[in-house]
Amino acid sequence: AQSVTQLGSHVSVSEGALVLLRCNYSSSVPPYLFWYVQYPNQGLQLLLKYTSAATLVKGINGFEAEFKKSETSFHLTKPSAHMSDAAEYFCAVGSNTGKLIFGQGTTLQVKP
Amino acid sequence: KAGVTQTPRYLIKTRGQQVTLSCSPISGHRSVSWYQQTPGQGLQFLFEYFSETQRNKGNFPGRFSGRQFSNSRSEMNVSTLELGDSALYLCASSLGVGSNQPQHFGDGTRLSIL
Repeated sequence: AQSVTQLGSHVSVSEGALVLLRCNYSSSVPPYLFWYVQYPNQGLQLLLKYTSAATLVKGINGFEAEFKKSETSFHLTKPSAHMSDAAEYFCAVGSNTGKLIFGQGTTLQVKP
Repeated sequence: KAGVTQTPRYLIKTRGQQVTLSCSPISGHRSVSWYQQTPGQGLQFLFEYFSETQRNKGNFPGRFSGRQFSNSRSEMNVSTLELGDSALYLCASSLGVGSNQPQHFGDGTRLSIL
């Protein structure tokens, strides 16, 4: 069975600091991995996706994620946090039936 | 290109009633999935439709049902509403099926049960 674990339900950083949101996955087959962001009262917006073409994936809004098979990780990073990055972030794995399996989410707080 | 549209955005119902939620996918997308989001359980998969056929179903009671029309628009129905059905219901569309297909989400319907 496939699963996703996001380490840390809340992460707080200062504006301009590095953002690191952790995601570990479990999958018996090569995984397809996604990061989504959710702003208050909105749906989920796709940040980036890993589909085995390259281990370092660049997404929107300056975010990127690195797939590390040996560590079964797909952590999301951004070099410099902006106030507008405050939101909830979800890591997800595409299951072999096509549905998305989500982690529990990480709320990112950005302090001025 | 218009995104995924869900209607209504907000809905208030009482226990025992039934409700129908609507989802219009991105033009050209043929797969529609539904998810329930609650603070306690997070995001949980309800079902997926492709070409008017249900392909997958999550672990929800039979009170939850859905359908897809020939234009790919989808509806979700919940009968005999319970307090625990209060949630944000999200619809997502993708071009096709498969675990590598990114899903694009609507803004959801927030259902409150009194």
